[in-house]
Amino acid sequence: KQEVTQIPAALSVPEGENLVLNCSFTDSAIYNLQWFRQDPGKGLTSLLLIQSSQREQTSGRLNASLDKSSGRSTLYIAASQPGDSATYLCAVNDYKLSFGAGTTVTVRA
Amino acid sequence: SAVISQKPSRDICQRGTSLTIQCQVDSQVTMMFWYRQQPGQSLTLIATANQGSEATYESGFVIDKFPISRPNLTFSTLTVSNMSPEDSSIYLCSVEDLGARTEAFFGQGTRLTVV
Repeated sequence: KQEVTQIPAALSVPEGENLVLNCSFTDSAIYNLQWFRQDPGKGLTSLLLIQSSQREQTSGRLNASLDKSSGRSTLYIAASQPGDSATYLCAVNDYKLSFGAGTTVTVRA
Repeated sequence: SAVISQKPSRDICQRGTSLTIQCQVDSQVTMMFWYRQQPGQSLTLIATANQGSEATYESGFVIDKFPISRPNLTFSTLTVSNMSPEDSSIYLCSVEDLGARTEAFFGQGTRLTVV
């Protein structure tokens, strides 16, 4: 059974600082890995999708890396803003999605 | 990408009653998924809804409690039956773009409180 772990569980940073969110998974036989953002009480917004053959994906201030052999992915958010405050979820697709518990980010103005 | 509309967005229900949640997608998709997110926890897959066949339920979820309909390739419903306070959760509908990217998309969720 796939186990997905996200560290840290919570993070508070001043505006402008770079964010580093970590995700690890136990079974490297995956199709892809996806990062989501969730605002309180809301659904999930897809941020980045990394296929198993890729090493990284970038979208604006967001960059996600994938090291499938070691079972790790990292989401980098550059120059954080208060609007980045949310919970970030990592999901691994090995036929079905397995989610981590998330990292709750607070960016202080 | 797929746009998913989920209704209702939230509801407060009495214990012992049932609530049906609707999920509408703006394009035809083969598989639709229903998830539950209990307070402070991550997402757990309830079932996979395939058009033209019965839903496939994950361990710990049963059809009598969570009946699912999938009448066509753009619509599905999840019913939460005989509700108890333990059913208070966010319920989310999801689809996957089965093109080359297999990206998952989610509705905005239904926030259910059972009193």
